[in-house]
Amino acid sequence: EPEVTQTPSHQVTQMGQEVILRCVPISNHLYFYWYRQILGQKVEFLVSFYNNEISEKSEIFDDQFSVERPDGSNFTLKIRSTKLEDSAMYFCASIRDSQETQYFGPGTRLLVL
Amino acid sequence: AQTVTQSQPEMSVQEAETVTLSCTYDTSESDYYLFWYKQPPSRQMILVIRQEAYKQQNATENRFSVNFQKAAKSFSLKISDSQLGDAAMYFCALPGETSGSRLTFGEGTQLTVNP
Repeated sequence: EPEVTQTPSHQVTQMGQEVILRCVPISNHLYFYWYRQILGQKVEFLVSFYNNEISEKSEIFDDQFSVERPDGSNFTLKIRSTKLEDSAMYFCASIRDSQETQYFGPGTRLLVL
Repeated sequence: AQTVTQSQPEMSVQEAETVTLSCTYDTSESDYYLFWYKQPPSRQMILVIRQEAYKQQNATENRFSVNFQKAAKSFSLKISDSQLGDAAMYFCALPGETSGSRLTFGEGTQLTVNP
């Protein structure tokens, strides 16, 4: 069964550094999402991407964040100048059709020191 | 704005017993979907069950079923014959009001299964 994959599974970085989190959505999916979950808290929406552009973003998704689909398979989240409070689990999700279930990747655990 | 509320931060159940996790929500849509996701200690988000609001019949997936009360905006998850592997955080989720939009999650319910 097709799966959403994410790399790396864990990332440790120093405050102020840039990180890129990578996702490979399911191949025929058209809508892509990033969510984050701070430890012990609920899952929060960051951004959605459709037709090669951002379709929706939350108040969390400020200028520090950017997303890109550089080729036909990868979907990346870049965090510039990371902060301590960016430490969280980051999930990618995708769907083929707007009425479908969002399928999540296994997540990237980001720790900012 | 849409909201999803899970009022039970923690629940426990004996193995082989039945437990019900509560979820209430608010939306102005009349046609929508609702989801329960399971998050085990690995922290992966796993779909448990999905309910279409236009369907009167409650969704069922093996030992998991929902009690969907549209008028009350209630969407509870029933786990029958609980197993140790059911121990996890469970999140209720509601999609946004525009096509392909975000999921809004509840705060989660941590389920413990006692042997």
